[in-house]
Amino acid sequence: KAGVTQTPRYLIKTRGQQVTLSCSPISGHRSVSWYQQTPGQGLQFLFEYFSETQRNKGNFPGRFSGRQFSNSRSEMNVSTLELGDSALYLCASSLDGTDLGYGYTFGSGTRLTVV
Amino acid sequence: DQQVKQNSPSLSVQEGRISILNCDYTNSMFDYFLWYKKYPAEGPTFLISISSIKDKNEDGRFTVFLNKSAKHLSLHIVPSQPGDSAVYFCAASGSGSARQLTFGSGTQLTVLP
Repeated sequence: KAGVTQTPRYLIKTRGQQVTLSCSPISGHRSVSWYQQTPGQGLQFLFEYFSETQRNKGNFPGRFSGRQFSNSRSEMNVSTLELGDSALYLCASSLDGTDLGYGYTFGSGTRLTVV
Repeated sequence: DQQVKQNSPSLSVQEGRISILNCDYTNSMFDYFLWYKKYPAEGPTFLISISSIKDKNEDGRFTVFLNKSAKHLSLHIVPSQPGDSAVYFCAASGSGSARQLTFGSGTQLTVLP
């Protein structure tokens, strides 16, 4: 079956702009989580969505937001971009967010560069 | 405050030998632990997990050991293969309906032929 699809793979934006990233989970998976990976902070949890509702949120400013659609696809948005937002953004899908015995399946990520 | 720590940034092992990757945690509320492998420019790939009610879990060449009293877990890879060369992350999660993963900083494993 198809894996987790993230688009676009690469993105370059200017400071102050906003950006929207997309994630399509594995078919049948209803939980989508977002993570940010940077060299300095490592992999950090942004938020998790299940059945179109945000269930959990990490320690990021309000400029980072997300949503989930009825087909479980998710988008995350970052407004007023800062240089420090340059990172690899990963999304992970699972059946319902509790099935850790099988882990979460990650996409290949979107590499965002803010200039 | 790092709740999940991988103190060795890198590890080199000869092909065929055992690789042991270590991870320490501080949050006693964590009840599930996972290991992921990651190649550059790709997302992490799930390897193996263990719940806090167990102290060992095996899957092929991979075994994870959990020592709850020491708040320590380790991943053993036997035998190591060159294709195992990657960054390995341990991650932990607390209980509840919305599980988030807290990751360590990773260990670069290099398996030498």
